[in-house]
Amino acid sequence: GAVVSQHPSWVICKSGTSVKIECRSLDFQATTMFWYRQFPKQSLMLMATSNEGSKATYEQGVEKDKFLINHASLTLSTLTVTSAHPEDSSFYICSARPRRGDQETQYFGPGTRLLVL
Amino acid sequence: GQQLNQSPQSMFIQEGEDVSMNCTSSSIFNTWLWYKQEPGEGPVLLIALYKAGELTSNGRLTAQFGITRKDSFLNISASIPSDVGIYFCAGPELSGSARQLTFGSGTQLTVLP
Repeated sequence: GAVVSQHPSWVICKSGTSVKIECRSLDFQATTMFWYRQFPKQSLMLMATSNEGSKATYEQGVEKDKFLINHASLTLSTLTVTSAHPEDSSFYICSARPRRGDQETQYFGPGTRLLVL
Repeated sequence: GQQLNQSPQSMFIQEGEDVSMNCTSSSIFNTWLWYKQEPGEGPVLLIALYKAGELTSNGRLTAQFGITRKDSFLNISASIPSDVGIYFCAGPELSGSARQLTFGSGTQLTVLP
């Protein structure tokens, strides 16, 4: 149980295009989902916290107009990188906290590698 | 926010050896989580600790929640090549109205055959 999927697993795009990444909890409902960014050989950096049916909460320094988050249902959150530029190239990982059970544990998706040319 | 200091930063060990890594914090945590991340993948939860002093095992992995609630360690016994990866400790902190995870900097483990 507690499986989280991400789609796509990798994407290459031209500078200026927008990229949408989906995060789904497959076998549980998640009231809260999180989006992280990870650079090579570094730890995970939280970008935003997404609650179903409400606006996402962004961490300091993360542009909300650049990284649009929609948490439309208890099993789906999307991150859209708008007008992507090479500096947005990174590994984006989502996680989901189950609606029931332990309130601290997060289950992570497999990540999406974004390369902006 | 709170910071987690994880050590060592990297380890190179021989297959069959035991491994120990730890995580310390200047603040108290009520939960400690240990994750493993393999290249190109998301972190996978290994062990969750909820009580001070708790010692929990998951196969060859053993983790303990320190009595002071400011530290935790993870041990891997009889390492094998598939143990390679980055191990992260994590603890929840309250930020605004949401509980988020703070991650340690990770321990990169390399197992030599």
